[in-house]
Amino acid sequence: DTGVSQDPRHKITKRGQNVTFRCDPISEHNRLYWYRQTLGQGPEFLTYFQNEAQLEKSRLLSDRFSAERPKGSFSTLEIQRTEQGDSAMYLCASSSGLAGGREFFGPGTRLTVL
Amino acid sequence: GENVEQHPSTLSVQEGDSAVIKCTYSDSASNYFPWYKQELGKGPQLIIDIRSNVGEKKDQRIAVTLNKTAKHFSLHITETQPEDSAVYFCAARETSGSRLTFGEGTQLTVNP
Repeated sequence: DTGVSQDPRHKITKRGQNVTFRCDPISEHNRLYWYRQTLGQGPEFLTYFQNEAQLEKSRLLSDRFSAERPKGSFSTLEIQRTEQGDSAMYLCASSSGLAGGREFFGPGTRLTVL
Repeated sequence: GENVEQHPSTLSVQEGDSAVIKCTYSDSASNYFPWYKQELGKGPQLIIDIRSNVGEKKDQRIAVTLNKTAKHFSLHITETQPEDSAVYFCAARETSGSRLTFGEGTQLTVNP
C-alpha cells in the first residue's frame, strides 16, 4: 500500500452515463497526477495538479473529461457521456519535491463502459 | 514529445537466473528514469529509479544502468524468484516536465 487511495475500485456503467472517480493522495504530497491505462499498455498521462492548480492537460483529455482538486488535497476525475472507448484503468499518483519527485500510484479505478 | 520504447515485451526465465529489460528514450532533456512493477489488478509500484547524473544504481537484487549518450537504460534483476513475476514498466521524465512517459511494459515470468 503506497498511501494513495482511489474510489471506487471498479465501476460499470452504460454508454452515455456520467462517472466520477476520487483520489486521495499521500497527505504531504502537493502534486497529483491522473493517468489512463488500457490493457497491455503503459499508463498514459492525462493531467497534473500542483496544489489546487491544474498545470497541464494531455490531448487525451477531451472536453468530456474534467478534473478538480479544490482544496489541494483529494482530486476528482469526471467523465461525461461515457463511450466504450473510455473503458480503462484510471490511475492516480502523487509526489512531492521532498521525495525527489518520485510518483507513487494508487490501486486504480477500473472503468467498464457497456 | 518524449517517446519510450521497451523490450522485450515478454521474458521467461528460470528461478535463480538473471533478467534484463531495456528501454530507449528520445528526448535528450529527460533526466529521471523510474521503473515500476505492476501485478495483476494493482497499481504500478515504484521499485527503483535513476537520475541522469548517475550511471548505475543498485538496491539488493535490482539494479538500473543509464547510458545518456545512447539514450538507453536497463533494469537488471538477479537471482530471480517466482514473486518477481509481474509486468515491469520503464518511464522517463524531462527536467522541467511534469509527466512520466511510459514504455509498453515487459511481462516477466519466473518459472520455479
